[in-house]
Amino acid sequence: KNEVEQSPQNLTAQEGEFITINCSYSVGISALHWLQQHPGGGIVSLFMLSSGKKKHGRLIATINIQEKHSSLHITASHPRDSAVYICAAVRLYQKVTFGIGTKLQVIP
Amino acid sequence: KAGVTQTPRYLIKTRGQQVTLSCSPISGHRSVSWYQQTPGQGLQFLFEYFSETQRNKGNFPGRFSGRQFSNSRSEMNVSTLELGDSALYLCASSLEIAGGRNEQFFGPGTRLTVL
Repeated sequence: KNEVEQSPQNLTAQEGEFITINCSYSVGISALHWLQQHPGGGIVSLFMLSSGKKKHGRLIATINIQEKHSSLHITASHPRDSAVYICAAVRLYQKVTFGIGTKLQVIP
Repeated sequence: KAGVTQTPRYLIKTRGQQVTLSCSPISGHRSVSWYQQTPGQGLQFLFEYFSETQRNKGNFPGRFSGRQFSNSRSEMNVSTLELGDSALYLCASSLEIAGGRNEQFFGPGTRLTVL
C-alpha cells in the first residue's frame, strides 16, 4: 500500500461543476501539500496545511488529522483549472511522499 | 523576487555518462530539495539540503548525489547514467523558519533524456 493514496486518478468535469479530489496518507506528517502541475511540467504550490481548512479563490483544501485524509475542492470549475493535482505528505526535513496525481480535465 | 531557477532546462546524454544539474533557490531560502518525476513512478524525493548539509535522502542508488554551496545554490549529480534516469528533475526551495509553514517553491525543472 502506498503511503499516499490519491483519488480519482482521472477526472473529467463540465465547466461550472464542483470538483473534489481526495488524498489519504498513512504516515505521520508535519504538513500536507497540494500542488498543481500544468502540461510542460511547471509545479505551483496551492496549499500547505496542517489542520483545518484553507481557501484561496475558488479552491478550498481541508485536512482531518485524525482520519489522515485531505480533500481539495474546486468550486465553479473552469477549463483553465485543467491540470494534474498532486498531494504530498511532508515529514521532517522536507522528506516528501507524493500521491500519484489526479489528472483533471474541465470541458467548456 | 526571482523564483527558483534550474539549469539547464533540457539535456540529452548517453548511457554511462554523468550529468550535473544546478538549482538556484529563492534569495534567502536555505533549504533545497530535489525530486525526480517519471511517467511510471510519479514524483519521488531524492534529497534535501540545508546549510550545506544533506538532512534527508530518498531511496535512490548512490549514483545520485548532491551538494549545496554556501550561497544555498545546489547541484545534483548522476553518474553512470541509465535509460531509466530519463526524467524531469525538479528542485524546490523553502525558507525554513522554525515553526513556520516552510512552503516549498518549485523550479521549472530540468528534463533529462538518456539515450
